[in-house]
Parts: sequence; structure tokens; C-alpha cells
Amino acid sequence: DAGITQSPRHKVTETGTPVTLRCHQTENHRYMYWYRQDPGHGLRLIHYSYGVKDTDKGEVSDGYSVSRSKTEDFLLTLESATSSQTSVYFCAISGPTGALTGELFFGEGSRLTVL
Amino acid sequence: AQSVSQHNHHVILSEAASLELGCNYSYGGTVNLFWYVQYPGQHLQLLLKYFSGDPLVKGIKGFEAEFIKSKFSFNLRKPSVQWSDTAEYFCAVKINTNAGKSTFGDGTTLTVKP
Repeated sequence: DAGITQSPRHKVTETGTPVTLRCHQTENHRYMYWYRQDPGHGLRLIHYSYGVKDTDKGEVSDGYSVSRSKTEDFLLTLESATSSQTSVYFCAISGPTGALTGELFFGEGSRLTVL
Repeated sequence: AQSVSQHNHHVILSEAASLELGCNYSYGGTVNLFWYVQYPGQHLQLLLKYFSGDPLVKGIKGFEAEFIKSKFSFNLRKPSVQWSDTAEYFCAVKINTNAGKSTFGDGTTLTVKP
């Protein structure tokens, strides 16, 4: 398995509170991604990063921000959590060929519940 | 924007039955195609992939998929399913102009009855 660690794995929080999810990789890959998984919607891209301090929006980026200050860490922040952000969040990295092929390796997921 | 359609949302089969899960995408250019599997409580993992060459690709655990360019399809097949194949299956497409970004289908839940 690719060396991807997500933390926390489970979190329950209240509406309006800030939440930060962390993705840590040991593979030294350039591209990192945050997806959310919801029943009936598959996986939807929130944000991605193509290098340190280089990030871009995905299809469902509203309400989320990201930061990447080191190659190995990609943080996803919900500035003010809402119930619609209750989901399972997956971090992914591209394989050894980088973004060329699109092959992804996923972390274990972070289950977030916003009450 | 490209889209990916998985026509079967939930499939229930008995062990030893044959499986075919449909996947269609909407993009006329060059694509890379993937099937991922997510076993209960686990993360997604790659089942198989197609980049170029032989349109019939084989993956892990006896799965295969066929790329039919004229039909924009990449259907997943397995001749004989096992109870351990119970999982959710996702088709994903990456177009060559997208910086590694893949678009996923909504997923198909497969339940195999022992």
C-alpha cells in the first residue's frame, strides 16, 4: 500500500466549528487530492495540489480550503462546518508517473459528522 | 465537462454467477480508464486500468474490462463471482488534458450471496 496517512480517521463536530483534516504521504509524489464520498454521488474532487503552495479547485470546492506547505502534507480545512459537509473524505496521491496516467492511490479515509 | 455513468447502482448475484458492470463516459478524446474497488470499511484500491494498446485488460482477482472506443464504454466483467467480491465498484476516467484529475462514476454496489 502507498504510504498515505489521514488524520483524524473519525471526527464529530458541531455546525459552525472549524475542522482540519490532514493527509500525510511518504511517497514524495507531487500531486495530491482531496475527494469526498457520498452515497449516490461517488467520489467528487474538492481540491488538488500539484506542488508545494500550488493548489487548485475541484468540482465541489465551496466551503473548503487547502494548504500545502510541504510535499508530504496536504491539509483540508472547513472554515465553518455545515451539516452538508458530513461525509467521508479521502486523500489520494498520483502514482510514480505523476499526474500523467491519472492512477490514484487512496488513504484510509476520514469520516466527518457535523451535527 | 466529462461525465461518467455507471448504469447499475446495486447488483445482487449468487456465487459463481457472471458479472458485468457498465461504465460509459462522455468525452471524445483520448482517455485513461480505471476501475476501483472499495471493500466494506476500506479505502479504494485499483482493480485495473487501461491506457492504450489491447482494449481487453486484466486486473486483480480475475476481473477484466473491455474498452470499446466507439461506444465510449469500459465495462467490468468477471466470469464467476465469489462472496468476497462483495464491494462497491467505481469507474473513473482521466482525460489527457486534466492534470491527473479523474472523474468518478457514482459507483455500483455488488452484493454476492453465498
